[in-house]
Amino acid sequence: QKEVEQNSGPLSVPEGAIASLNCTYSDRGSQSFFWYRQYSGKSPELIMFIYSNGDKEDGRFTAQLNKASQYVSLLIRDSQPSDSATYLCAVNKAAGNKLTFGGGTRVLVKP
Amino acid sequence: GAGVSQSPRYKVAKRGQDVALRCDPISGHVSLFWYQQALGQGPEFLTYFQNEAQLDKSGLPSDRFFAERPEGSVSTLKIQRTQQEDSAVYLCASSSEPSGGATDTQYFGPGTRLTVL
Repeated sequence: QKEVEQNSGPLSVPEGAIASLNCTYSDRGSQSFFWYRQYSGKSPELIMFIYSNGDKEDGRFTAQLNKASQYVSLLIRDSQPSDSATYLCAVNKAAGNKLTFGGGTRVLVKP
Repeated sequence: GAGVSQSPRYKVAKRGQDVALRCDPISGHVSLFWYQQALGQGPEFLTYFQNEAQLDKSGLPSDRFFAERPEGSVSTLKIQRTQQEDSAVYLCASSSEPSGGATDTQYFGPGTRLTVL
């Protein structure tokens, strides 16, 4: 079992719809959870992080964390074609601050 | 007002050659990380520096991989006797906090795409 798991997709959503991405992690000691967006051939760029149970909103993005279920999700509202990318879930363990990434979910927003 | 920079952006090496990949972190950033990203996969941790000290090298896949950050700023990742399985994108990231900053943000460079023939 991988430490951080994501559905590889592609997740196809129509323009204007909500895209829902899921991520599960195995280490209960994980402290912080990050969502990165990566366009093809580019480096990961941070969308947002969350470390407390519940929801955190930033513009069109909402991250949701449930530590009891070891589950973190990302919602993208009013999806735009420019949101088409691979979304990487990353987990920060207690020590060392290194990030452990999932394999990413590819999102395709169709006009 | 630069972000993280890496050079070269692309490197083609013949199997058995040595390569050196450079990372310039954001000025003043204490922490520096190297990750390896294979095609279609998420990045995988290689090694971590806090200033000039290499505090974690648990992700280095073999003793052919070596990293240094002698003055606590620029870092070099060296791969000796390259193999085809070393072909990947090598990403460098830096952050302003020392180890233990649970919500510290890592900023990634553009990466070096290494192809070993």
